[in-house]
Amino acid sequence: EDQVTQSPEALRLQEGESSSLNCSYTVSGLRGLFWYRQDPGKGPEFLFTLYSAGEEKEKERLKATLTKKESFLHITAPKPEDSATYLCAVLPGGSQGNLIFGKGTKLSVKP
Amino acid sequence: DVKVTQSSRYLVKRTGEKVFLECVQDMDHENMFWYRQDPGLGLRLIYFSYDVKMKEKGDIPEGYSVSREKKERFSLILESASTNQTSMYLCALLPYLYRPSTDTQYFGPGTRLTVL
Repeated sequence: EDQVTQSPEALRLQEGESSSLNCSYTVSGLRGLFWYRQDPGKGPEFLFTLYSAGEEKEKERLKATLTKKESFLHITAPKPEDSATYLCAVLPGGSQGNLIFGKGTKLSVKP
Repeated sequence: DVKVTQSSRYLVKRTGEKVFLECVQDMDHENMFWYRQDPGLGLRLIYFSYDVKMKEKGDIPEGYSVSREKKERFSLILESASTNQTSMYLCALLPYLYRPSTDTQYFGPGTRLTVL
């Protein structure tokens, strides 16, 4: 069964304290892995697409990496405005576009 | 800027009512999706559409139907609302995901539906 697991469920950091969020997946033939940011009461905001192991993408303080079993979202020197829930999703092989989402990691960055 | 709008941010309905949720895009985008998001369950796909008058079932289509008469508009219909359909409903524009794409994905702001 295709599955996506995100860890930790919640993460509290001090401003400037770098860390990583994990997204591990079990899918048949990964076509793509996607990261999103979601603020309370709003729709997800698309961040990155990763297609193959070894690929990396960066945006400001965020860097996403991909291996054959998992993806990491590294947050370097986070600021309070980085506080949000970060979602990961995968597109399995054979899918017509049905993304499988993880349950998310809620990140809180304290000043 | 691409805009994905949803007809209501908050909606309260009674059990048994027929409910219409509408999603409108301002781009000429073929692929539109309806998800629901619940605490502890994440996002789950209800229906999607690749073109006008086309629709495909997602993981949880029971109790829902959809309509896409125009390219820019994708409606989700709750035929007879029930309390277990209380949820956050999200519309999304996703590029052709079966091939590598640099296209951005867009989600609407969401409709928080409460069924009493």
